[in-house]
Amino acid sequence: DAMVIQNPRYQVTQFGKPVTLSCSQTLNHNVMYWYQQKSSQAPKLLFHYYDKDFNNEADTPDNFQSRRPNTSFCFLDIRSPGLGDAAMYLCATSRSLSGDGYTFGSGTRLTVV
Amino acid sequence: QQQVKQSPQSLIVQKGGISIINCAYENTAFDYFPWYQQFPGKGPALLIAIRPDVSEKKEGRFTISFNKSAKQFSLHIMDSQPGDSATYFCAAKTSYDKVIFGPGTSLSVIP
Repeated sequence: DAMVIQNPRYQVTQFGKPVTLSCSQTLNHNVMYWYQQKSSQAPKLLFHYYDKDFNNEADTPDNFQSRRPNTSFCFLDIRSPGLGDAAMYLCATSRSLSGDGYTFGSGTRLTVV
Repeated sequence: QQQVKQSPQSLIVQKGGISIINCAYENTAFDYFPWYQQFPGKGPALLIAIRPDVSEKKEGRFTISFNKSAKQFSLHIMDSQPGDSATYFCAAKTSYDKVIFGPGTSLSVIP
């Protein structure tokens, strides 16, 4: 089945220690998104890639970076995680920017200790 | 103007009842209105969506009602079941722009 896969499902990292979350997709979609979702809140868009073009949201902290080495994979790098970065991180894809629904992965729950 | 408002924040419905979640928007450029369903520990999943050229869309027990003049839309879940218990997000989008999510409604369907 075509899908969006996020690894790991749960990640525990130390305060200030860089961490990388990964997302892969078999949908061959052009656009990949990273969202941050805190408890009982709506997902908040951090950035997206349209093909190789990177688009950062204006209020995304510099602490968050992303890489997309090919169509299938996209990574979220948190350079120096703080306690406030503990959240669910969701990867989503869409066929195009004008595309309709997004397909979300199951997310990575990040804990910062 | 990019905001999507959603109410209620939480909703408790008895099994077999009708669940109704309401949303409102300001940006008249929005042209796609999806609803996402999210179970605990999972990512949101597209449930049903509508474009503003129709006033209603029904898929099984789920119906979107859309009022373009009032800039409001709602989700109706008929014959609500315990398995429908989840958080529901309404959302809106313009072409070539990101999805704007509402704050979410936590639905509990009790036996």
